[in-house]
Formats: sequence, C-alpha cells, structure tokens
Amino acid sequence: AQSVTQLDSQVPVFEEAPVELRCNYSSSVSVYLFWYVQYPNQGLQLLLKYLSGSTLVKGINGFEAEFNKSQTSFHLRKPSVHISDTAEYFCAVSRTGTASKLTFGTGTRLQVTL
Amino acid sequence: GAGVSQSPSNKVTEKGKDVELRCDPISGHTALYWYRQSLGQGLEFLIYFQGNSAPDKSGLPSDRFSAERTGGSVSTLTIQRTQQEDSAVYLCASSSRGDRNKETQYFGPGTRLLVL
Repeated sequence: AQSVTQLDSQVPVFEEAPVELRCNYSSSVSVYLFWYVQYPNQGLQLLLKYLSGSTLVKGINGFEAEFNKSQTSFHLRKPSVHISDTAEYFCAVSRTGTASKLTFGTGTRLQVTL
Repeated sequence: GAGVSQSPSNKVTEKGKDVELRCDPISGHTALYWYRQSLGQGLEFLIYFQGNSAPDKSGLPSDRFSAERTGGSVSTLTIQRTQQEDSAVYLCASSSRGDRNKETQYFGPGTRLLVL
C-alpha cells in the first residue's frame, strides 16, 4: 500500500515570493508521483508528474518539483507566486507498471496575498 | 477535444433515497476512475474500470455503492439508501495508455451530493 503526507495544511505567502509545498510518500513498490491543483468549485488539474528519468520535473504555470528517492519526497516549488495561484494543491502517487488508482495526500491550501 | 463531463453538477436528496451519478470520459480513454472528496476523509478512491477487465472495487465504502460502465464508455455510480455521511463531491477521471499522456488521469468537475 502507498501513503502520502502533506505536512502543511495551509501555506500563506505574499505575491512574488517563492514557495515550497512539501510532499513525502511511503510505498513498498515503485511509484509514479503527481501534483494536482484544485481551484474553488472545480475539478483537479494536473500540474506535473514524475514517471522516470530526470528527477527535476517542470510543469504548468511555472511550477516544478524534484523527486528525491532517498528522502521519499516530491516537493513542489515556484520561484515567484501570483494571486491566481491561490488554490488547493494535492500530491498523489500510483503504482508503476500499469494504470492504477491514485492515493492522495490531504492537500495544502496555498493562500497568496498582496 | 472535450474533457471528462459529469452530471448532475449538484444533487440534493433525502436520506434513504437512491441516486445515480453519471460520468462521460474522454473519448478513447480505456480507464475510468471514481473518487470521493469529503471534508473528513479527503480524496478517496472508490472504483476503477480498465477496458474489459473486472473492475477494482476495493475502495467502495459499503454495499450501498455500485458502479457500472456500459460499452466501455459512460459510467454510472449508484448510491442506494443514501445516508448523510455520503454527502461529498464525487469526482470521475479517465486515462489512456498512450505514451504521450501515460498514467495521467484527467478529472471531471465533479458532482456535489448533499443528503439531507
């Protein structure tokens, strides 16, 4: 079984400041890693994913994440946030090798203010 | 092209009634998933369909929940004898096996269910 921990339930940050949203996972098998964003009253949108290869993954809207196997982490970063980045962010994992269900973290609410 | 669509967008029902939630996946996607998002439990997997294989029902919380996928496309999630704890947003997702978007699940906007 897999589990995902997002330690920060809320992250307040000023506009144009950098941000890091933390994600750690636990799994007895190899996993794929994902970050999704959810804007108010909307479904989930994929920000980025790690399947294999380079451990630094770039996604949409200027976000990036780095897979660290030894620390079982997949932290999400953005060098300069905008008001429009205010949303809920979910880290998720799935087993490798076949399409399979996502196991999600509890989410981090990113609140960007002026 | 069109994304995943779900209907209805909102549903209010009385405790004890049955409800049906519908999901139209992206055309050509062979895998379809149902998840539930609630305040107390976060995002939970419910059920997964892959082609003609037997569905993975391991996430269904009780035998009041069932789902089917007709013709490998549209799926219906049915909740019988609804309870107040069933109130949640029900999300549907689909994915393909193509290399370009391998393993990416595309989510619909969800159905917000309120059981009074």
